[in-house]
Amino acid sequence: EVQLVESGGGLVQPGGSLRLSCAASGFTFSSHWMHWVRQAPGKGLVWVSRIHSNGNSTTYADSVKGRFTISRDNAKNTLYLQMNSLRAEDTAVYYCARGGRFDLWGQGTLVTVSS
Amino acid sequence: DIQLTQSPSFLSASVGDRVTITCRASQGISSFLAWFQQKPGKAPKLLIYAASTLQTGVPSRFSGSGSGTEFTLAISSLQPEDFATYYCQQLNSYPITFGQGTRLEIK
Repeated sequence: EVQLVESGGGLVQPGGSLRLSCAASGFTFSSHWMHWVRQAPGKGLVWVSRIHSNGNSTTYADSVKGRFTISRDNAKNTLYLQMNSLRAEDTAVYYCARGGRFDLWGQGTLVTVSS
Repeated sequence: DIQLTQSPSFLSASVGDRVTITCRASQGISSFLAWFQQKPGKAPKLLIYAASTLQTGVPSRFSGSGSGTEFTLAISSLQPEDFATYYCQQLNSYPITFGQGTRLEIK
């Protein structure tokens, strides 16, 4: 089955760190750019970051630049998002999405930043 | 950053109605626009890409049009499963941005 499955979300204190994972299956993961998109509770979609298929090029939204790092392990078919210096405003469901068309999304993982 | 403004933000309609949602970009984005449908608690689903190309498996009652700064998503003959929130997205330049969403509810 073609799917993306996120994991790693949870409750973290402000200033803390969390690493999200996105496991891909059913397609050739190494051929696709990948993205992270987030959605705060009751709010709209916000693009966070992207990574080239070979992992050599990354781009970030200004709101997370310097705090978040996107990476991938093509041998493990897995995308990552390392989130440091977390703030309350980072509270959201985080989705991974495939390629230039965003044609495949995971189910999302909830990150809550609160003391 | 390119801003996308959807109108209306809220739409009430009945099964069988035809509805249209507009997305306006703050600058020209050629045809680098997509439309997504999202239901509560679920991930977004791609409906339309390149402004007017229907994603595989999406019913033909959905259609997209436009280029430059003004785009439209049309749904002909609304079905019960179409009541959801719709987002436009621009892929012309980074950062990728989304419209604020249009919530389509049953009248």
